[in-house]
Amino acid sequence: DIQMTQSPSSLSASVGDRVTITCRASQSISNYLNWYQQKPGKAPKLLIYGASHLQSGVPSRFSGSGIGTDFTLTISSLQPEDLATYSCQQSFNTLWTFGPGTKVEI
Amino acid sequence: DVQLVESGGGLVQPGGSLRLSCAASGFTFSDFWMSWVRQAPGKGLEWVANIDQNGYEKYYVDSVKGRLIISRDNAKNSLYLQVDSLRAEDTAVYYCARRYSTSSPYYYYYMDVWGSGTTVTVSS
Repeated sequence: DIQMTQSPSSLSASVGDRVTITCRASQSISNYLNWYQQKPGKAPKLLIYGASHLQSGVPSRFSGSGIGTDFTLTISSLQPEDLATYSCQQSFNTLWTFGPGTKVEI
Repeated sequence: DVQLVESGGGLVQPGGSLRLSCAASGFTFSDFWMSWVRQAPGKGLEWVANIDQNGYEKYYVDSVKGRLIISRDNAKNSLYLQVDSLRAEDTAVYYCARRYSTSSPYYYYYMDVWGSGTTVTVSS
């Protein structure tokens, strides 16, 4: 199975800060990497698919990059409503896996 | 509106069984693969299973093989997860999600619509 790791596990930042979250796969997954945002008590929401493609309706302050094993999610200017846990997920093969999540506090 | 609504969760004793349901609306259910994802209390998301449009292809996370069965009824626009031999570690919120795939030339796969989840608690 493909294992996904994320760093940091949590972070605290101020409104307006640039925030970067890293996701690493245990083997190359090309760019079959998705990012989800989960606010407390809510279902996950898709932010980024294919490593860098912004899902429709998602604010442009969110962006993704990477290919192979190393990926990043960037929030260019953190907003109060971005308080959430962010998880990466690989769809390279038929058995999907998520990263453990990064909790973002404001 | 595109919507997924899960039901069937509850408190069950270890060794027991449950059948979770997910009712889909607002889209052509039979056109899409579907997924189940779960989240144990205070833990991260865990993909559990995928099923193709016709119910023929099914994939499961290794930890649940043999105990969880994903199925669907396209006539009822419904997705199901049969959970048997329940263990404490199956305690979680179970989400159903629509698996979307982009078209040629790049076939990306992701979960673009999620339900609000149903809670399963395994305890004596």
